[in-house]
Amino acid sequence: KQEVTQIPAALSVPEGENLVLNCSFTDSAIYNLQWFRQDPGKGLTSLLLIQSSQREQTSGRLNASLDKSSGRSTLYIAASQPGDSATYLCAVLTGANSKLTFGKGITLSVRP
Amino acid sequence: NAGVTQTPKFRVLKTGQSMTLLCAQDMNHEYMYWYRQDPGMGLRLIHYSVGEGTTAKGEVPDGYNVSRLKKQNFLLGLESAAPSQTSVYFCASRVADYNEQFFGPGTRLTVL
Repeated sequence: KQEVTQIPAALSVPEGENLVLNCSFTDSAIYNLQWFRQDPGKGLTSLLLIQSSQREQTSGRLNASLDKSSGRSTLYIAASQPGDSATYLCAVLTGANSKLTFGKGITLSVRP
Repeated sequence: NAGVTQTPKFRVLKTGQSMTLLCAQDMNHEYMYWYRQDPGMGLRLIHYSVGEGTTAKGEVPDGYNVSRLKKQNFLLGLESAAPSQTSVYFCASRVADYNEQFFGPGTRLTVL
């Protein structure tokens, strides 16, 4: 059974810092990995999707990498801002019928 | 495009009452999903559908039923609500396998 782990559960950094959020998964036979952002009381917003054949994807200040063989992904946020404060979830797509397995998320707080 | 929408946004039920949550998407997506999100438990899949007229059980299907009579709509029903079903419910959709998944804004349900 696929399991997705995100450690630590919470992170607090000063504004302007570059930071890395980690995601690990137990079954490397994934089709893709997706990073989401969730603001308090809101739904999930898709940030980046990495297919299994890709190593990384970039969108603005965000860069996500994927190492399928080691079961790891990282989300790099450059020059963090208070507006980046949110919970970040990673999810992997495995098996039949396109079911995502989610990590429990990392709650990021960027201090002004 | 409105994307994925959910109705209602909030609801309070008494134990034993029934209700239906509506999810609608205007992106012509084949796959649709219902999740629940609880503190400390993360996102868990309730039911999903891989096309109009099809439904399948997810990780936590007990106490819920679903229907996908039209491609753009996915309904989640609670026949006899229980306090354990107090949660935030999210609907999601994707166009097909290996593609990005999009989420609705959520429905906050409280069962007294």
